[in-house]
Amino acid sequence: DQQVKQNSPSLSVQEGRISILNCDYTNSMFDYFLWYKKYPAEGPTFLISISSIKDKNEDGRFTVFLNKSAKHLSLHIVPSQPGDSAVYFCAAISGAGSYQLTFGKGTKLSVIP
Amino acid sequence: DSGVTQTPKHLITATGQRVTLRCSPRSGDLSVYWYQQSLDQGLQFLIQYYNGEERAKGNILERFSAQQFPDLHSELNLSSLELGDSALYFCASSELAGESYNEQFFGPGTRLTVL
Repeated sequence: DQQVKQNSPSLSVQEGRISILNCDYTNSMFDYFLWYKKYPAEGPTFLISISSIKDKNEDGRFTVFLNKSAKHLSLHIVPSQPGDSAVYFCAAISGAGSYQLTFGKGTKLSVIP
Repeated sequence: DSGVTQTPKHLITATGQRVTLRCSPRSGDLSVYWYQQSLDQGLQFLIQYYNGEERAKGNILERFSAQQFPDLHSELNLSSLELGDSALYFCASSELAGESYNEQFFGPGTRLTVL
């Protein structure tokens, strides 16, 4: 039972354009969401997060949008750069206590020069 | 470099065997998490330790166990290995495990292949 879903296994985008990565979740107890980026042979690296009390968080070229009613979040990368090519994981946390991350299966982003 | 180290990088073993994966957290981090990434399941939380004590359990099999030592390094023990245990095993560490989320820093992982 996949509580965090990334339905697009891969995405290709031209350099300079916008990349939009999507994520859906089913567990209404999730109250904190994160995006991690992973390069081959490395561990995931934290990118950006958003609390459930917000609907948008921005950090440079990266913006995460949260639509709680739709249980949907998205990561926008503008402008996309070749160095952004990686696997992006959406993750969620269900509140106080352990803070273990529940991950989606990831979306492989390829930014074409 | 996240500051989290994992050894070994690669491990090849046979079914039925037992292996130990080791993780050293970032300096000062008290909390250690273990995750398994298999081909079809993505990253799944296994277990968390905080300052030497088990804090939370996820989808960890009974054949698997872990511990965190006084120097805060952690070991994940996998026994009676099956082909399906082949996966990437990641360790992550964070400063605390308290009332709010602390960023988890991931190590490079150990790739386990069971033949």
